[in-house]
Amino acid sequence: QVQLEQSGAEVKKPGASVRVSCAASGYTFTDYYIHWVRQAPGQGLDWMGVINPDDGSTTFAQKLQGRVTLTRDTSTRTVYMELSSLRSEDTAVYYCARGPPLGDWGQGTLVTVSS
Amino acid sequence: EIVMTQSPATLSVSPGERATLSCRASQSVSNSLAWFQQKPGQAPRLLIYGASTGATGLPARFSGSGSGTEFTLTISSLQSEDFAVYSCQQYNKWPYTFGQGTKLEIK
Repeated sequence: QVQLEQSGAEVKKPGASVRVSCAASGYTFTDYYIHWVRQAPGQGLDWMGVINPDDGSTTFAQKLQGRVTLTRDTSTRTVYMELSSLRSEDTAVYYCARGPPLGDWGQGTLVTVSS
Repeated sequence: EIVMTQSPATLSVSPGERATLSCRASQSVSNSLAWFQQKPGQAPRLLIYGASTGATGLPARFSGSGSGTEFTLTISSLQSEDFAVYSCQQYNKWPYTFGQGTKLEIK
């Protein structure tokens, strides 16, 4: 079955960077885009960006342009999301998801930004 | 970007009754519209895609309709496990924006 396994929770200081991984299994890795969605405490879902694992091309939400990077390693079937210049407003649960439509989700990774 | 607006923000319904949730897009998204259910501490679960196609294993009491800019999710007879937050998402044009969610609570 399809599985997306994310890395564990992170605590970072303002200004730092964080990298979250998403390891895929159960399907042909290069056949489906991987999206990143975040959810701040008590808030709605916020689409961040997408990577095509086949060629590595990416598209991002404009408000995150310049701060977010998505990469993939086809040998390990893993996608990485790196967010830089962290601020308190980046505290959220970060999800990877396969699609569209986003039918399969990782379990989520809590990133806490605090001094 | 396409703005998705859901209404109402909170809907109070008794078990066994029907619930109707709305989602409006600021411009046409054709039928590229998905509905998700989310419970506390869990990842979202895809319910409906293509505006009206149920995900695998979706109970028959859930249905989606609409196209263009107006969409509806209907739950015909609410069960206890249906009380959750429901979000719509358009995937017609990047960025793939979400609505702010509707909280379905027990009346």
